[in-house]
Parts: sequence; structure tokens; C-alpha cells
Amino acid sequence: DVKVTQSSRYLVKRTGEKVFLECVQDMDHENMFWYRQDPGLGLRLIYFSYDVKMKEKGDIPEGYSVSREKKERFSLILESASTNQTSMYLCASSLTRRGPNQPQHFGDGTRLSIL
Amino acid sequence: AQRVTQPEKLLSVFKGAPVELKCNYSYSGSPELFWYVQYSRQRLQLLLRHISRESIKGFTADLNKGETSFHLKKPFAQEEDSAMYYCALGSLGADKLIFGTGTRLQVFP
Repeated sequence: DVKVTQSSRYLVKRTGEKVFLECVQDMDHENMFWYRQDPGLGLRLIYFSYDVKMKEKGDIPEGYSVSREKKERFSLILESASTNQTSMYLCASSLTRRGPNQPQHFGDGTRLSIL
Repeated sequence: AQRVTQPEKLLSVFKGAPVELKCNYSYSGSPELFWYVQYSRQRLQLLLRHISRESIKGFTADLNKGETSFHLKKPFAQEEDSAMYYCALGSLGADKLIFGTGTRLQVFP
């Protein structure tokens, strides 16, 4: 069974801090994704990556960056945290971009509060 | 542009009643549709995908290209079906999915 692990379930940071959210998957998946989940807005894609050192902007990349130095690890970085980035952050992975869309496997989420 | 619309934020039914969660999509190419479910305090997980054409936990969904819909149905709702349901749209060869805003299903005893 695919395991996607996010480093923190809850995180509280202050405005202006640099924040790192970590995600690791153990099934050698090529694709990894970062979403934020907000009530009434559903899941919105921030960034995704289909290979090591590759990244693509999603729908709401402003204020975020990502890093994928190893295939199994995908980090989301808030360069200078702001209160409007308070949200639930979900990491996901999927097998490959070749062929039909593969199901995405999600982590438990990180609830981030910016004070 | 690709878009997924779930018109109902909340759907409340009694146990044993039929359930239909609506999903409409906008996409000019060949779509791939998914339903994901998130039970309370659990991670988001795949419920079913249209290419599998299978029934999971009594739920089915049929892709209707004419109406651009992928509604999720179950003939007799159970209390354990209470959860948040998301419809998602993908396309062949693409990596990402477009998610709808979700519908919360409440099943009362």
C-alpha cells in the first residue's frame, strides 16, 4: 500500500517566517503534488513535480516554492508566511505521467496556522 | 479551460434513501473522471474512477459525455457514507487533476 507521509500534522508559525512542509512517499512514484484545502474552495493545486529537480506551477503558486532533490521527497516552502496562507496542506503522489491519469495517493495533511 | 462543478455544498439524507452527488465538467478533450472521498479524520482517498467501471462500497458513477456529467450514485445510503466527496477531472497524458469544491454528504439514522 502506498504511504505518503507529511512531516507535521499541525504547525503554528509567525508572519514573515520561512516555513518548510515536507512530504515523503515510499512507492517510487514519479509525480508529486502540493495542494491547499479550504472550506468552500475544495483542493487547489499549488505546485507539482513529475521528476527529480522538475517542477511545474499549479493554479495558486504565488508565495510558495518547492524543492524535489530526491524522487521520494517533495518540499513546499513558504518564503515569507502570511496569515492568508493559514490552511490545510495536502501532499499527494501518483505513479507516472505516461498513459491514463493514475490515482493520486494523499498524505494526512498539515494544518498550518500563521499568526 | 478545464473545470469541475459540484453544485451542492451539503447533501443530507436519511439512512436507506437514494443518494446522488452531482458532478459536471468542462473539457474539450477526452476526460478522465474520478471520485475521491474524505471520511472524518482520515486522509483523502480514491473512491472510484470512470475507466474502471466498478462499484465501490455500493457507489457507482457513469460518465455521460453528452451531458458532461459524472454523478455519483448509491441506491441505499448508510450512516458510514457520511463524508466529504470530491469529483476530479484529468486528461490523458497529463499529470494533474482538477478538483471540484466538494459535497458534504450527511446520512442521518
